[in-house]
Amino acid sequence: QLVLTQSPSASASLGASVKLTCTLSSGHSTYAVAWHQQLPEKGPRYLMTVNSDGSHIKGDGIPNRFSGSSSGAERYLTISSLQSEDEADYYCQTWATGIRLFGGGSRLTVL
Amino acid sequence: EVQLVESGGGLVQPGRSLRLSCVASGFTFDDYPMHWVRQAPGKGLEWVSGISWNSGSIGYVDSVKGRFTISRDNAKNALYLQMNSLTVEDTALYYCAKDDGNYFIDYWGQGTLVSVSS
Repeated sequence: QLVLTQSPSASASLGASVKLTCTLSSGHSTYAVAWHQQLPEKGPRYLMTVNSDGSHIKGDGIPNRFSGSSSGAERYLTISSLQSEDEADYYCQTWATGIRLFGGGSRLTVL
Repeated sequence: EVQLVESGGGLVQPGRSLRLSCVASGFTFDDYPMHWVRQAPGKGLEWVSGISWNSGSIGYVDSVKGRFTISRDNAKNALYLQMNSLTVEDTALYYCAKDDGNYFIDYWGQGTLVSVSS
């Protein structure tokens, strides 16, 4: 069964970097995922799609501070030079035949 | 600029029906699949339903099968979600979302709130 697992929370200091992880369930390690950001009280925003080889394609207007990478069944979203406005919920998303699926989300706190 | 504008949410009693609409602009609507995604209060995102560009392929999350119906009118650049037999568990903010054509969502609306309560 396809499942995306995310740590519920993460924190990092202003100006530092943080790496958020989305883990694909067993047997699905070749799947690509998309990352979405949801600022407090706002609708989600697409950030990028990360492929199994680590290549990634960003959405319109996404700053260079945001990047993606992969290792095995893990897909990463790295945010560099953290700013206060990066404090948000981050969701990964993938697909299977006929459905789309989200991870449980990671709440990022900027200290 | 891609815009997705939802409407049709509101307060409804359990067992009743509601129809959500989403009007799209800024892209060639009939080139892309579309989706409804919901978010219950304080919870994460849950994909509800999706429809291919020509309505030939449709999918639903198990919890809404048999109760919700997704449809689209490409002439009107519109996406719909007919929700019947609503329960309190359907209370959520419902987002209209565009597919990028490669199975990932790349644009979101601002959402319309559905509250199911007696």
